[in-house]
Amino acid sequence: EPEVTQTPSHQVTQMGQEVILRCVPISNHLYFYWYRQILGQKVEFLVSFYNNEISEKSEIFDDQFSVERPDGSNFTLKIRSTKLEDSAMYFCASSVDRTGELFFGEGSRLTVL
Amino acid sequence: AQSVTQLDSQVPVFEEAPVELRCNYSSSVSVYLFWYVQYPNQGLQLLLKYLSGSTLVKGINGFEAEFNKSQTSFHLRKPSVHISDTAEYFCAVSERDYKLSFGAGTTVTVRA
Repeated sequence: EPEVTQTPSHQVTQMGQEVILRCVPISNHLYFYWYRQILGQKVEFLVSFYNNEISEKSEIFDDQFSVERPDGSNFTLKIRSTKLEDSAMYFCASSVDRTGELFFGEGSRLTVL
Repeated sequence: AQSVTQLDSQVPVFEEAPVELRCNYSSSVSVYLFWYVQYPNQGLQLLLKYLSGSTLVKGINGFEAEFNKSQTSFHLRKPSVHISDTAEYFCAVSERDYKLSFGAGTTVTVRA
């Protein structure tokens, strides 16, 4: 069964360092997303991406964040200068269309020290 | 904007007993409704969804949910749980687009 894959599963970084989280969405999906879950809190929408551009972003997704689809298969989330409060589980998701049926990856846990 | 409230943060239940997880939402427009499950150290997996049609929705692993528009609820049920159903369950809503709003989650612990 096709699935969304994410790497790394866990990354530890120092505050101020750049981090890139990688995702391979399901191959025939057209919409891509990043969500995050801070420990003990709700899963929150960060950004959606379609047709090689951001469709929508939340207020969490500030100038420190960027997304890219550098080739036909990868979808990346970059945090330019990490802060302690960026520590969270980051979930990549993809969907065929806009009905909201998202398929999630297993998540990348980011720990900022 | 929509919001989701999961009324129970923790639900302990004995094996083979029934379980119900409550979810209420608020939205000013028509919505799609979802239940996701997160097993320990795994990602979010779709259990079931309501897009339109019959208000009783059946999902994987014997789960079902009923959409009640007048009560703005989408409660999840299973008549007989297994140890393997121990997980965190998330109710989510979208206003017919791709942006999901999640509830805080309900941790189900099944005991023998």
